[in-house]
Amino acid sequence: EIVMTQSPATLSVSPGERATLSCRASQSVSSDLAWYQQKPGQAPRLLISGASTRATGIPARFSGSGSGTEFTLTISSLQSEDFAVYYCQQYNNWPPYTFGQGTKLEIK
Amino acid sequence: EVQLVQSGAEVKKPGESLKISCKGSGYSFPSYWIGWVRQMPGKGLEWMGIIYPGDSDTRYSPSFQGQVTISADKSISTAYLQWSSLKASDTAMYYCARPGGKWGQGTLVTVSS
Repeated sequence: EIVMTQSPATLSVSPGERATLSCRASQSVSSDLAWYQQKPGQAPRLLISGASTRATGIPARFSGSGSGTEFTLTISSLQSEDFAVYYCQQYNNWPPYTFGQGTKLEIK
Repeated sequence: EVQLVQSGAEVKKPGESLKISCKGSGYSFPSYWIGWVRQMPGKGLEWMGIIYPGDSDTRYSPSFQGQVTISADKSISTAYLQWSSLKASDTAMYYCARPGGKWGQGTLVTVSS
């Protein structure tokens, strides 16, 4: 099983600032990496697939990069609605597809 | 627009059976893998299994093999997750999802005596 490790566990950032979230895979997942945002009481929302392709309707301030084992989600200028939990997930290797443990992005 | 719409919340007793559903629209349902993800209260996300509706090829996570059954009916673009005998520990939110793609809104399953 591929282990996905996200860092940091919690990130405190002020609105308008930049946030950088990291995700590391225990072995290569090529570019088969997705990022999701989850707010309390809501389903996860797809932000990025293929490591760097924004999903439909996702603002340009969200960007993804990386391949192989190292990935980054960057939010260029945080808005109030961006404070949430973010998960990375690999869909390269089954069984099973695996998620990171999540990064909680909180207001500083 | 791709949409996955799940059936409503369920409250069951231990030992009862249950089948929840997920209807896809806006894309060729038989042609894409679709799976189920569990989120226990206050916890992270776990893939349970995936199915290719075109030929019903089904794969389970080792943690869920034998515990649940995943199926699909491509004629009505619907995937299913079922239990034959629920336990209290099955209480969770269950999401259908396309790997690397869209998710359903979730189905809350509560198992309590």
